Amino acid sequence: EAQVTQNPRYLITVTGKKLTVTCSQNMNHEYMSWYRQDPGLGLRQIYYSMNVEVTDKGDVPEGYKVSRKEKRNFPLILESPSPNQTSLYFCASYPFPRLAGAYNEQFFGPGTRLTVL
Amino acid sequence: KNEVEQSPQNLTAQEGEFITINCSYSVGISALHWLQQHPGGGIVSLFMLSSGKKKHGRLIATINIQEKHSSLHITASHPRDSAVYICAVKETSGSRLTFGEGTQLTVNP
Repeated sequence: EAQVTQNPRYLITVTGKKLTVTCSQNMNHEYMSWYRQDPGLGLRQIYYSMNVEVTDKGDVPEGYKVSRKEKRNFPLILESPSPNQTSLYFCASYPFPRLAGAYNEQFFGPGTRLTVL
Repeated sequence: KNEVEQSPQNLTAQEGEFITINCSYSVGISALHWLQQHPGGGIVSLFMLSSGKKKHGRLIATINIQEKHSSLHITASHPRDSAVYICAVKETSGSRLTFGEGTQLTVNP
């Protein structure tokens, strides 16, 4: 089954304790992306990756790191989490367009609800 | 002003009603998405549009590139359609998506 998986689904942690949220897709998609969703602000892009070893900042990258060493995995790293990073996080993937002007739908993971105390 | 504006923010309807959710954007785009977020939080892609109109079951999405506007219509609405509907645009330059804040739809039996 084609899917995007995230782990953990729920996490409560304390300020300053490094954590990693994993994201994996089995569709051989080139593009992967991380979003956070907050009440009243909607979804905002944190980082995205267009392929292995190619990453770029989204709208709200501060306090986050990512890596793309393999095509299927795109972990999100919080080196020193703070309470303002309490949020619902989504990973998504989509294929590189094969036709000029084409763009394909995104597949979203189930979300990770993070609470930083 | 947000680059992507949705209206209304909240919508309550009776089962069977025809529903329209609107999305306006201010940037040049190469594609527009309509997403559905279930009460449990999961997000599903409904449509991806770059022009014209698409239909899937009771859902219809239209886009007018010149007017920078898209609409999502639900015919014969049902309580299971209750969800947050999110519009997102892919800008012409780059690979990022910009999202609207979503429209909370509640369909009462």
